[in-house]
Amino acid sequence: GAVVSQHPSWVICKSGTSVKIECRSLDFQATTMFWYRQFPKQSLMLMATSNEGSKATYEQGVEKDKFLINHASLTLSTLTVTSAHPEDSSFYICSAGGGQGAGLRREQYFGPGTRLTVT
Amino acid sequence: GESVGLHLPTLSVQEGDNSIINCAYSNSASDYFIWYKQESGKGPQFIIDIRSNMDKRQGQRVTVLLNKTVKHLSLQIAATQPGDSAVYFCASRNTGTASKLTFGTGTRLQVTL
Repeated sequence: GAVVSQHPSWVICKSGTSVKIECRSLDFQATTMFWYRQFPKQSLMLMATSNEGSKATYEQGVEKDKFLINHASLTLSTLTVTSAHPEDSSFYICSAGGGQGAGLRREQYFGPGTRLTVT
Repeated sequence: GESVGLHLPTLSVQEGDNSIINCAYSNSASDYFIWYKQESGKGPQFIIDIRSNMDKRQGQRVTVLLNKTVKHLSLQIAATQPGDSAVYFCASRNTGTASKLTFGTGTRLQVTL
């Protein structure tokens, strides 16, 4: 149980275009979802926290107009990188938390990540 | 500021030996700690957690030790196997931050045959 999926697993896009990444909790309802960014050989950096039905809370230094987050349901959150540039190339990881259900003991359940390459 | 850091960026261990990965945290308000394993190109995988009211917790081949006095956390892996090769992160949560986690810098564990 407590599986989180991401789609796509990897994406290549051209500079200036927008790309959407989906994060789904497959077998539980998550009231909170988190989006992280990870550069090669570095740690996970929290970008934003989203709660179902409300606006996301962005970490300092993260442009909310560039990284649009939507958390429309208890099982789906999306991250849209708008007007992507090569420096946005990174590994984006989501996690889901605040779930309700038997066996959910942990704070966050992580997705497998999405590799974004902007050319 | 708040930080969670690791002492060693790379740890090389011979197969069968025990591994010890260390982590220091700076925020005394941290009340919950987690160790994650991350393989290349994958998301973090939960290993073990510990709450601040404990100083030791054991799992299968893994033990986490917490020393709140010096704000230090360690992960011990017994009988290290090649499949343990990965990057290990510690993460902490501060009381009242609604599950928000702060990750350490990571240690790469290399298991040699």
